[in-house]
Amino acid sequence: SQQGEEDPQALSIQEGENATMNCSYKTSINNLQWYRQNSGRGLVHLILIRSNEREKHSGRLRVTLDTSKKSSSLLITASRAADTASYFCATATDSWGKLQFGAGTQVVVTP
Amino acid sequence: DAGVTQSPTHLIKTRGQQVTLRCSPKSGHDTVSWYQQALGQGPQFIFQYYEEEERQRGNFPDRFSGHQFPNYSSELNVNALLLGDSALYLCASSLFLAGGNEQFFGPGTRLTVL
Repeated sequence: SQQGEEDPQALSIQEGENATMNCSYKTSINNLQWYRQNSGRGLVHLILIRSNEREKHSGRLRVTLDTSKKSSSLLITASRAADTASYFCATATDSWGKLQFGAGTQVVVTP
Repeated sequence: DAGVTQSPTHLIKTRGQQVTLRCSPKSGHDTVSWYQQALGQGPQFIFQYYEEEERQRGNFPDRFSGHQFPNYSSELNVNALLLGDSALYLCASSLFLAGGNEQFFGPGTRLTVL
């Protein structure tokens, strides 16, 4: 079973617009991470937010975490065609780092 | 600095056969995790190796086994292949002392079982 669930399943936007996707999870976590995957290849780590953090920024990415609601959001600002990919949230429930992934959000950015 | 490498890139097998996939971790990393990603799904954790021992295991049958070598590289073996084993197999490496948090993924091995 998957710990995280992303919403929406798919998102289509134009270049320059912002993209927001959400992730909900079921159990207490050590940290939550977001990954990007292009065309079914390897995953690229985007950002990690720990359970005692509420918000983190990295370039055009902004991640929030609400542990009371067991949810997180990823915002990509000023999107580009190169942002077209699948985005996954993954939770780690212990320090060993075993990750549990959601099913992902497919984002398509059109020029 | 070499990232995570996996071999082979693609593999086609028939039901009942056995397969071995290989992974070399990112330089300086000592922990290797394996994930199975079916088409349209998120990756599912198979197991994790540290100090040449399996430390954690996901909900996969014993047909899935692995090994970690002294140089930290790892193998994933799958016996008695089923059609449902067709998937992208991803290897991820991390540094145990860092809490194994940020994981670096390889490009994956695409396994097709006919």
